[in-house]
Amino acid sequence: DVKVTQSSRYLVKRTGEKVFLECVQDMDHENMFWYRQDPGLGLRLIYFSYDVKMKEKGDIPEGYSVSREKKERFSLILESASTNQTSMYLCASIPGTTYEQYFGPGTRLTVT
Amino acid sequence: AQSVTQPDIHITVSEGASLELRCNYSYGATPYLFWYVQSPGQGLQLLLKYFSGDTLVQGIKGFEAEFKRSQSSFNLRKPSVHWSDAAEYFCAVSTSGTYKYIFGTGTRLKVLA
Repeated sequence: DVKVTQSSRYLVKRTGEKVFLECVQDMDHENMFWYRQDPGLGLRLIYFSYDVKMKEKGDIPEGYSVSREKKERFSLILESASTNQTSMYLCASIPGTTYEQYFGPGTRLTVT
Repeated sequence: AQSVTQPDIHITVSEGASLELRCNYSYGATPYLFWYVQSPGQGLQLLLKYFSGDTLVQGIKGFEAEFKRSQSSFNLRKPSVHWSDAAEYFCAVSTSGTYKYIFGTGTRLKVLA
């Protein structure tokens, strides 16, 4: 079974803090994604990566950055957290041979 | 621009009743289409997918979906709903040759005992 894990299920941070969300997949997938999920808005793509050290902006990259130093790990960074970044963050990965996304359990981030 | 519309935000059905969740997409070529389910507090799980071929696709948990090109639709169906099907359902489209998905806004299903 494919496993995508995220470092925290729940996280509470203060405004202005630097926040790291970690995602690890164990199936050697090339493509990895970060989404945020908000009620009534569905999932919106923040960033994605199709290879180590490669990244591309999604639909809502403002206020976020990413890092992919190893194939299995894709990190989402909030340089200076703000209250409007309170959300559910979902990581996903796709192997190079299919178009099926495999999702992690999500991190619910609250910025106060 | 590509888009996915799920017109029903909430749907309530009785256990044992049939279910149809609607999904419409806007895309010029033949898209890759997906339905995902999200149980409370969980990530998304793939129910089924359509890439090409037979327009009626079977998925897990007794779900099926039908691709109708003329209507730009990919509706999800289940003949008899179980209480454990209560969850949020997302339709998604991906364009051929890319791995980027566009998700609908989701339909939350409530099942009455």
